[in-house]
Amino acid sequence: GAGVSQSPSNKVTEKGKDVELRCDPISGHTALYWYRQSLGQGLEFLIYFQGNSAPDKSGLPSDRFSAERTGGSVSTLTIQRTQQEDSAVYLCASSLGVGGLGTEAFFGQGTRLTVV
Amino acid sequence: LAKTTQPISMDSYEGQEVNITCSHNNIATNDYITWYQQFPSQGPRFIIQGYKTKVTNEVASLFIPADRKSSTLSLPRVSLSDTAVYYCLVGRGTGFQKLVFGTGTRLLVSP
Repeated sequence: GAGVSQSPSNKVTEKGKDVELRCDPISGHTALYWYRQSLGQGLEFLIYFQGNSAPDKSGLPSDRFSAERTGGSVSTLTIQRTQQEDSAVYLCASSLGVGGLGTEAFFGQGTRLTVV
Repeated sequence: LAKTTQPISMDSYEGQEVNITCSHNNIATNDYITWYQQFPSQGPRFIIQGYKTKVTNEVASLFIPADRKSSTLSLPRVSLSDTAVYYCLVGRGTGFQKLVFGTGTRLLVSP
């Protein structure tokens, strides 16, 4: 696709239910990032992928959060047993994954998750 | 990853030049300085990136002194549509590392 695509754009779920958030990165981008942004706050790093591997999972808030990436493309962020404090916008970004001048991360529009 | 410090907020008026300074005292030799802009209800978008001296594109200029311990994003003649949060990041471009965003600078442009 032309840009990073996230689905769904909005998700309302009941407390205790599991949710899956999907990210389709730009074709050819090997690096993929997940962030969480609560209302009026900055971006909280969750996890990033290098191909299908996640070298750094340190940002995942708890063991209820997990993420995977298959085929070096689509990624899924899963939140189990959702709680109200999980309510936020979840942003995904992708990049070519090589360092150096001119590389940039492209963000999707995010998934707004509301836990009721 | 080098820690960054930038003002929490700034106010300006249309037509003025805005300079947002970011401190990054622990920048490493192979680190680049990158700025992103985020509008409400949108993901951040890349504005500009540099390594040293000055970089200019159609949106902004980035000034980096010789010691590289700080950088200044300059927005010429801002308009209301420049109201956004601006983030300064320091790291090896985006090459296989986590991109850590600080709290950013919330810029409010008034008529």
